[in-house]
Amino acid sequence: LAKTTQPISMDSYEGQEVNITCSHNNIATNDYITWYQQFPSQGPRFIIQGYKTKVTNEVASLFIPADRKSSTLSLPRVSLSDTAVYYCLVGPNQAGTALIFGKGTTLSVSS
Amino acid sequence: NAGVTQTPKFQVLKTGQSMTLQCAQDMNHNSMYWYRQDPGMGLRLIYYSASEGTTDKGEVPNGYNVSRLNKREFSLRLESAAPSQTSVYFCASSGMRPGHTGELFFGEGSRLTVL
Repeated sequence: LAKTTQPISMDSYEGQEVNITCSHNNIATNDYITWYQQFPSQGPRFIIQGYKTKVTNEVASLFIPADRKSSTLSLPRVSLSDTAVYYCLVGPNQAGTALIFGKGTTLSVSS
Repeated sequence: NAGVTQTPKFQVLKTGQSMTLQCAQDMNHNSMYWYRQDPGMGLRLIYYSASEGTTDKGEVPNGYNVSRLNKREFSLRLESAAPSQTSVYFCASSGMRPGHTGELFFGEGSRLTVL
């Protein structure tokens, strides 16, 4: 399973764009990249998933370069409620595989 | 639609006691997982079940046993609890959802303290 590396923490202000990068140098051909968000005292929840290039949904964008050895989660115009831990996972796009979380990135948004 | 339900939400045990954490999902998912999260740390995979009748070890299986009772239910048992097992335990499930197969849906967590 591909190991992921993320910054431990990041700080931002309301209204700014935040980019969190995840390194996954040994990603396999059939691996997808998935990001989760976790608030205190809650289980993580899915944010976005991608395989290559760019994926955008209503809350975030995911940028994946051609070599797929890294990915960047982009949160546009963050608010205080975006303060959370963000996890990058790499694994096959199928149910039933061992999904391993890294240490995650703690994002703190201030006013 | 309750999603993933865990019981109990809180439990205090004495060292050496045993207990079972229960997890049930109503999304008809094939796969289920148990994670633990220590204070200020990320999630670590204990065991997972790809489908009914199968279970596999994750990163930290020692001291735990699991049972995939049926498609809906996946239980985690501590046979002889130790203080090192004080943690928040999360159950999750995943299925074949178009667009993001393998997406994990988590329960609210079970907070276990071992004295």
